[in-house]
Order: sequence, then structure tokens, then C-alpha cells
Amino acid sequence: SAVISQKPSRDICQRGTSLTIQCQVDSQVTMMFWYRQQPGQSLTLIATANQGSEATYESGFVIDKFPISRPNLTFSTLTVSNMSPEDSSIYLCSGRLAGGSHNEQFFGPGTRLTVL
Amino acid sequence: DAKTTQPPSMDCAEGRAANLPCNHSTISGNEYVYWYRQIHSQGPQYIIHGLKNNETNEMASLIITEDRKSSTLILPHATLRDTAVYYCIVRVAQGSARQLTFGSGTQLTVLP
Repeated sequence: SAVISQKPSRDICQRGTSLTIQCQVDSQVTMMFWYRQQPGQSLTLIATANQGSEATYESGFVIDKFPISRPNLTFSTLTVSNMSPEDSSIYLCSGRLAGGSHNEQFFGPGTRLTVL
Repeated sequence: DAKTTQPPSMDCAEGRAANLPCNHSTISGNEYVYWYRQIHSQGPQYIIHGLKNNETNEMASLIITEDRKSSTLILPHATLRDTAVYYCIVRVAQGSARQLTFGSGTQLTVLP
């Protein structure tokens, strides 16, 4: 199994600022993903974080708004740029273990972001 | 990945079995059925998965119909801590690079 931690766990930010969320995994993972969960909604995939190359974004999400880094197999960051109240959500990091038997995905506890 | 349909909510009495249905009528032969749950204020947690045979682990049982168009997750003795949103997800076979795609899930409330 894998344990995923995220920092910060929550934050309250002002409109127009940016926040960087860190994701740390205690095991090497082949794939890392970032999801968004808006209040009362299900999870929506933002992007796949690729080690050493640009992230792969889903429709509706762009690099300028959600820049992602993944410098190694256990760490990734997501930045929410130029925030507006509509960005208030929970942001979750997820990873899939290298050599995992059934592609189980593990999830961090999430970062609860409130934009005023 | 095939789309799934789940009831939006269900209640279950504590100590009784919780049976959560999922329809996946367009499932392909190489797609597995996965179940995850999300307890309030936590990230989703893997429960169980299966291809066509029934599966059981320490958390739950998964019953998949013979035609594979539907499945049922069974929590044999539900507790208050099982209150969560349960997601049924169908995705391609082992080894795929594809991520999990979440539907709206079923909010299970276990009542005392």
C-alpha cells in the first residue's frame, strides 16, 4: 500500500493569489493524478502528473491555471493560479503503485481551499 | 471506460447487510468493476474489484451478474463507520495507464 500526504490540509486565500499544494507519497508510484472535488460533487480529474515532462490535462483544465510539477516518483505539486471563488474546492492527489497487483489508486486526504 | 449507474442514496440499519447496486450495461470484456468509498473529509479508499467471478475480502463482497451488466457490493455487517459515498467504477484491465473516473456514487447512511 501507499500513504499519501498533502500540504496544506486547508487554506483560505484571497482572490487573485496563487496557492501551491504539495503531495508526498511514501512509495514510488508510476502514475500520479490530481483531482478536484467541488462542494457536494464527485471527483473530477484535473491532470496526470508526468515525471520529468509536462502534465497531461483533461478537457477544461489548462496549464496556465493549474501548473503541475513532478520532479521524482514520490512528489508532485499543483498550483492553483489567479484564484477566484469558483476555485473553492477540495484538491486531491492520487497515486498508483509501481508493480501494483491491480492498479489500485491511493488518495491523499485532500486540501480544502476556500477563496474569498 | 464504461459508464455506471448507482442510486444516489441508501440507508441501512447498523449490524445489517448493506447491498449497494451498480449497473454497467455497456461493460467490455476486458473491463474490471472497482469499488471505492469516500468517508466524509477523507480521500477515496479502495474496497474491492472483480472481473467476472464473485470476490470477497475483509471489507466486503462483490457479486457480479453472469452477463456482467450489473454488480452488487455487500457490506455484511454495516457499522456507523461505513457511512460514506460508495463509487462503482468500471475501467480497463490491469496494466492500463488510465486513471479512475468517478461518477456520482451512492451515499450510504448507516443508521443506529
